Amino acid sequence: GEDVEQSLFLSVREGDSSVINCTYTDSSSTYLYWYKQEPGAGLQLLTYIFSNMDMKQDQRLTVLLNKKDKHLSLRIADTQTGDSAIYFCAETSWNNRLAFGKGNQVVVIP
Amino acid sequence: DAGVIQSPRHEVTEMGQEVTLRCKPISGHDYLFWYRQTMMRGLELLIYFNNNVPIDDSGMPEDRFSAKMPNASFSTLKIQPSEPRDSAVYFCASSPSGIATGYTFGSGTRLTVV
Repeated sequence: GEDVEQSLFLSVREGDSSVINCTYTDSSSTYLYWYKQEPGAGLQLLTYIFSNMDMKQDQRLTVLLNKKDKHLSLRIADTQTGDSAIYFCAETSWNNRLAFGKGNQVVVIP
Repeated sequence: DAGVIQSPRHEVTEMGQEVTLRCKPISGHDYLFWYRQTMMRGLELLIYFNNNVPIDDSGMPEDRFSAKMPNASFSTLKIQPSEPRDSAVYFCASSPSGIATGYTFGSGTRLTVV
């Protein structure tokens, strides 16, 4: 089944790195995703990783996938105030629907 | 491309009233999803359509909720009668195919039922 778990809150100083973690249960997921939700806005796709990859880097974002432990992480380098948001991980299920975690709120302290 | 357009952005209504939320997906996207977001339950998938046909409505909370997609460019989510526990942000998303890399979300409708 689909059960995506995330921790709830992270505060980080501007310029530091932040790491958000997520665990999932559906080992058949073909894609895993990170979405960002800024206040008052919808979810915006940040990045995704195909399940046969271990790592993906996209500018300040690094996604790590540990399939053995069903663990997904997002590292944001040089965190900026504009990175303050809620971050959701999500996985695809057998019918290509997305299952979302509850989200992790990141607050960047200037 | 204007993205997924939802209206209204905010809705405040009294308990017992009918509420209709609207969504215009991105042209060419053949999947449309309705989600509800609350602090307690996070993001919940209510229903999704493929080529205007409802595929899975198992997430619809109860008979008070109904959704339609009369054509490829328009969908509605209706709550009748509304209750205070329906207060949430309702999101519409669309996708060009079943592959979830293409999900695009609207800005949401914040519904408050008093």
